[in-house]
Amino acid sequence: QLQLQESGPGLVKPSETLSLTCTVSGGSISRSSFYWGWIRQPPGKGLEWIGTIYYSRNAYYNPSLKSRVSISLDTSKNQFSLELSSVTAADTAVYYCARPLRYFDWLPAYWGQGVLVTVSS
Amino acid sequence: QSALTQPASVSGSPGQSITVSCTGTSSDVGGYNSVSWYQQHTGKAPQLMIYDVSNRPSGISNRFTGSKSGNTASLTISGLQAEDEADYYCSSYTTTSTLVFGGGTKLTVL
Repeated sequence: QLQLQESGPGLVKPSETLSLTCTVSGGSISRSSFYWGWIRQPPGKGLEWIGTIYYSRNAYYNPSLKSRVSISLDTSKNQFSLELSSVTAADTAVYYCARPLRYFDWLPAYWGQGVLVTVSS
Repeated sequence: QSALTQPASVSGSPGQSITVSCTGTSSDVGGYNSVSWYQQHTGKAPQLMIYDVSNRPSGISNRFTGSKSGNTASLTISGLQAEDEADYYCSSYTTTSTLVFGGGTKLTVL
């Protein structure tokens, strides 16, 4: 059964870089034509797509975050990662990693439990 | 990119049916059959309820149905139950190779 688990610091200082990792179990990142994604949700607000990476390492980003975000794969560890630079309080959110149901789909189906990241000095 | 438009809230009594709308443009909802709906209970991760406009994943009750007309997708929940009280989000793939979510709809079961 596919499982995704986010991990990373729960507190990041303003202007620093937020780094999170999603560990995938029950499926291989490198052997399948899936798109792997990151979504976030500020406290009390709605969902926001951050970006998606294909197993071939092509990445796609939300235009509003594109200048600050990078998503990468680490196939040796069966993980994919998110980096968001120059963070502010507006980046405080629960961050989710996710995968679609089928090859070549984009929309998330399997979600991690989420990790709360607070930006504060 | 602009978020898809959903009503902020809907409500219904147990046993009744409700419909949540999700309005986009021809560049997202209207342009593809790649529309999904998610249920999110407080403090939990979203759960996929509908994919490809009208398909239910394994294990999802047939009380949940999805449809689309033009640039508007809809989620209908029939036979409302107390456990259906949650936030609901729609999402769509877009012509610029991005994803967009709706603002979310809070369903209250009276």
